[in-house]
Amino acid sequence: GEDVEQSLFLSVREGDSSVINCTYTDSSSTYLYWYKQEPGAGLQLLTYIFSNMDMKQDQRLTVLLNKKDKHLSLRIADTQTGDSAIYFCAESIHNTDKLIFGTGTRLQVFP
Amino acid sequence: DAGITQSPRHKVTETGTPVTLRCHQTENHRYMYWYRQDPGHGLRLIHYSYGVKDTDKGEVSDGYSVSRSKTEDFLLTLESATSSQTSVYFCAISGRRPSLGDTFGSGTRLTVV
Repeated sequence: GEDVEQSLFLSVREGDSSVINCTYTDSSSTYLYWYKQEPGAGLQLLTYIFSNMDMKQDQRLTVLLNKKDKHLSLRIADTQTGDSAIYFCAESIHNTDKLIFGTGTRLQVFP
Repeated sequence: DAGITQSPRHKVTETGTPVTLRCHQTENHRYMYWYRQDPGHGLRLIHYSYGVKDTDKGEVSDGYSVSRSKTEDFLLTLESATSSQTSVYFCAISGRRPSLGDTFGSGTRLTVV
């Protein structure tokens, strides 16, 4: 079945890099996404990667995709206190109109 | 969030009562989704719609029904609310351009007492 796994918590010091990891099961996923959720708010799309790419960089964000291991990661460079939030990875399921979300990783940034 | 509104934002209701949550969009998107968010479970799909009067079940659809009589509105009904349906409910819309992902509403916090 479809399943997306993430670690629950990550704590980093301000200015350091954060790496949030995700594993997924559907090898036919076409797009993989990273969403950010701030307290009391909905999910906001941060970035995405197409399944035929290995890496995508967007300002402070770097997404790495290892299709062989079905592993996705999000690296945030120079992490700021405003980056504190819950981060969700999601995969699009081939030939469906649905996304499958991970359980979310709570990132806490301390001074 | 721009283009998508959920109402109400907060609701407390009693066990056994019916409850309807509303999602309204101004983007004219074809696809609309209802999720629930619970600690340790992330987001789980309840129901979704791929057009007016076209809906389908998600992974946690028991106890919920939906209706979509207009493109802009997607209603989620808890037929007889139970305490296990206490959750935060999110609506999402999609124009099915994968590079844009899905746009989420701000959520409805429902408490069933």
